[in-house]
Amino acid sequence: DAGVTQSPTHLIKTRGQQVTLRCSPKSGHDTVSWYQQALGQGPQFIFQYYEEEERQRGNFPDRFSGHQFPNYSSELNVNALLLGDSALYLCASSYRDRPYNEQFFGPGTRLTVL
Amino acid sequence: GNSVTQMEGPVTLSEEAFLTINCTYTATGYPSLFWYVQYPGEGLQLLLKATKADDKGSNKGFEATYRKETTSFHLEKGSVQVSDSAVYFCALGSGYALNFGKGTSLLVTP
Repeated sequence: DAGVTQSPTHLIKTRGQQVTLRCSPKSGHDTVSWYQQALGQGPQFIFQYYEEEERQRGNFPDRFSGHQFPNYSSELNVNALLLGDSALYLCASSYRDRPYNEQFFGPGTRLTVL
Repeated sequence: GNSVTQMEGPVTLSEEAFLTINCTYTATGYPSLFWYVQYPGEGLQLLLKATKADDKGSNKGFEATYRKETTSFHLEKGSVQVSDSAVYFCALGSGYALNFGKGTSLLVTP
């Protein structure tokens, strides 16, 4: 049973560039959430996608956008990169009927902005 | 808003010592509570959860009890091992999101 997978593992960009990160949910899951984890901090919720729609968003600017595909996989896009966007980006998947927000996390994509 | 506060680390213990990592929360309603663990170089793994007051979550020798009266969800283990060295995160379900604490780093020495 494949868990949550993310690509790429590492990424280096320069300020002002745009980046796309990808996530495939755990088998049987239909909901994808994205989190940003700065060094030494806990993960911060960016948004969650269900049925190809964003259904909850955290306190992140519009530069952060996402998409969910019919096969439930998801992309996170960040435009106009800032140095402060350097972080580990975590994808988590869950099943919509689970009422207790139980989410399973992927290994993350390490983004470095120079 | 909903939030969690957990004790600052790092925590250093000798093997077989007793572990407590404190976590308190602020929330409206009765959120689900979680402990996640992050081993070096890896993503987060769910360690245990509790969905209502007085529930006790347990896994791999770790336990935590959902205490509504003290708004707490402290993580405990009776005898830690070197392999328990990791960062531990307390989290609270808030709508569809998880609100995490800042994490507590645990180092267990032989």
